[in-house]
Amino acid sequence: QKEVEQNSGPLSVPEGAIASLNCTYSDRGSQSFFWYRQYSGKSPELIMFIYSNGDKEDGRFTAQLNKASQYVSLLIRDSQPSDSATYLCAVNEGTNFGNEKLTFGTGTRLTIIP
Amino acid sequence: GAVVSQHPSRVICKSGTSVKIECRSLDFQATTMFWYRQFPKQSLMLMATSNEGSKATYEQGVEKDKFLINHASLTLSTLTVTSAHPEDSSFYICSAFPGTGFNEKLFFGSGTQLSVL
Repeated sequence: QKEVEQNSGPLSVPEGAIASLNCTYSDRGSQSFFWYRQYSGKSPELIMFIYSNGDKEDGRFTAQLNKASQYVSLLIRDSQPSDSATYLCAVNEGTNFGNEKLTFGTGTRLTIIP
Repeated sequence: GAVVSQHPSRVICKSGTSVKIECRSLDFQATTMFWYRQFPKQSLMLMATSNEGSKATYEQGVEKDKFLINHASLTLSTLTVTSAHPEDSSFYICSAFPGTGFNEKLFFGSGTQLSVL
């Protein structure tokens, strides 16, 4: 049974600070990792994906991957109230997305405090 | 960009009735679509993988006779919740992968909130 673990939160961060979201996964063979943002009652939207160990930056977002520790994180710099949402970590066993399924974590609820 | 359309967005039905949810890829072909279910404050749980022209692959614990999936064309998959009961009330979401050139995005439908009375 493949598992993806996240702290459910809620995580409260002051506006302008850095929000740090963490995720661990059980399947050492996992190849690709995703962070989705989901607003209440809405579908998830992709924020970032990462395949290789290290950091990947996109605007205010940085994904960090450590395959040896089976750990992936998402940093949000200069947090804004609009970043308040549930963040889902998802793991794929390969890179053939068309035919492979994602395993989602339970999500971390993030609240940015103005 | 790739769009996945899902209808209806919300449905309320009586216990014992069947409900059909449609998932369409509007500007791309999808040989594979995925159906998820999400209970309040929980994550997405994959129910089944819908394969065009063949039987769906169901996840462990998901009743294939209760959740009927039909992927009749490359742009349409349907999920029918048969003889719905209150415990089936949930947020159902479909997704599809349009292929290379879309930044590895898995596109999600807007979801269907099912409430069974």
